[in-house]
Amino acid sequence: EAGVAQSPRYKIIEKRQSVAFWCNPISGHATLYWYQQILGQGPKLLIQFQNNGVVDDSQLPKDRFSAERLKGVDSTLKIQPAKLEDSAVYLCASSLETGPDSPLHFGNGTRLTVT
Amino acid sequence: AQTVTQSQPEMSVQEAETVTLSCTYDTSESNYYLFWYKQPPSRQMILVIRQEAYKQQNATENRFSVNFQKAAKSFSLKISDSQLGDTAMYFCAFMGRDAGGTSYGKLTFGQGTILTVHP
Repeated sequence: EAGVAQSPRYKIIEKRQSVAFWCNPISGHATLYWYQQILGQGPKLLIQFQNNGVVDDSQLPKDRFSAERLKGVDSTLKIQPAKLEDSAVYLCASSLETGPDSPLHFGNGTRLTVT
Repeated sequence: AQTVTQSQPEMSVQEAETVTLSCTYDTSESNYYLFWYKQPPSRQMILVIRQEAYKQQNATENRFSVNFQKAAKSFSLKISDSQLGDTAMYFCAFMGRDAGGTSYGKLTFGQGTILTVHP
């Protein structure tokens, strides 16, 4: 089974610029997650999709971050405009369903540096 | 809100020895799930082991086992016969009921412990 694919692997931008990350989950996985992992910290959930609907976006900074999952498959996460504190690894994960019996499968993440 | 605390930023162990990573959490729920994830330099998070709070028996997966103390809200990971490939960052994570109480919600992660296995 192919894993969760993310691109790009690295991105460097200047503050106030915009950036987009792409995620392709494991085929058949209904639930998709975006996590932000700041250096030295654990991942923090930004948004969770169930198919193409949003389940939880309570920790998404909606003034600058947006995410979509059209057709319930691929997803993109956008930041506009970026701030220095957005420098982090952005991890995408997917699971068959929501809940403890459906383990999360993570991608390799995108490391964003904002200068 | 649940919190997960890992008080050991870094740990090291010699190859073939045993090491224990600590984790404490705070919750008012009676039923929940706890996890340990491994994150090697490749950045891909990998599930190591899972524990259901209502099960008293500690979970084991080959060389990995947990010591789950529900009353103390403690969930430590023991790695036996450490191998060089165990070098990674280890995260403790908590999953409880969502706000509606009808299903399980998001994973809350601790800050992580960097484990280095020396030859």
